Amino acid sequence: AQSVTQLGSHVSVSEGALVLLRCNYSSSVPPYLFWYVQYPNQGLQLLLKYTSAATLVKGINGFEAEFKKSETSFHLTKPSAHMSDAAEYFCAVSENNAGNMLTFGGGTRLMVKP
Amino acid sequence: DAGVIQSPRHEVTEMGQEVTLRCKPISGHNSLFWYRQTMMRGLELLIYFNNNVPIDDSGMPEDRFSAKMPNASFSTLKIQPSEPRDSAVYFCASRNRQGSTGELFFGEGSRLTVL
Repeated sequence: AQSVTQLGSHVSVSEGALVLLRCNYSSSVPPYLFWYVQYPNQGLQLLLKYTSAATLVKGINGFEAEFKKSETSFHLTKPSAHMSDAAEYFCAVSENNAGNMLTFGGGTRLMVKP
Repeated sequence: DAGVIQSPRHEVTEMGQEVTLRCKPISGHNSLFWYRQTMMRGLELLIYFNNNVPIDDSGMPEDRFSAKMPNASFSTLKIQPSEPRDSAVYFCASRNRQGSTGELFFGEGSRLTVL
């Protein structure tokens, strides 16, 4: 069985500060890992994904995430926050098997202060 | 390429009325998912289809909810009768199951308000 835990339902940073959104997963087989972003009144968009190639994955809008198997983590970072980064972020996992069903975390709402 | 298309984007209705939400998946995708998003419960999977066949509807909250996929390019989610607690944003998502890593492509959502 697979699961995802996102620590912190709300994160607030100042514009220009480091963004760190935490995600830990549980999976019985090698996982695929994803970060989605949801802007207000929109659907979820894929930000980046890990599919067993490089452990450091770069996504859109300057975001990146590092797969750490020993820590079962896939934290999302961005060196310098922009006001436009304010959104809800979802971490998700699927297992490398025939079903590949996606399991979402509870989401983290990122607020960016001027 | 067109993404997942949902309609209506917004629906306001009165308790007891029938509500039908529509979804057109991305062409060539053979799996379709319906999710519900609320503040209290977050993102919940309601039902999903593979090749137009419902595979798992264990997330459908009650018999008032039903979903169909008559062909590869169209699906509906129906609520009859609707209740205020059904107020939520309903998302449709699709993917190509073959060779998939699990990644889903989401529509913009249908925001339902039941008065």
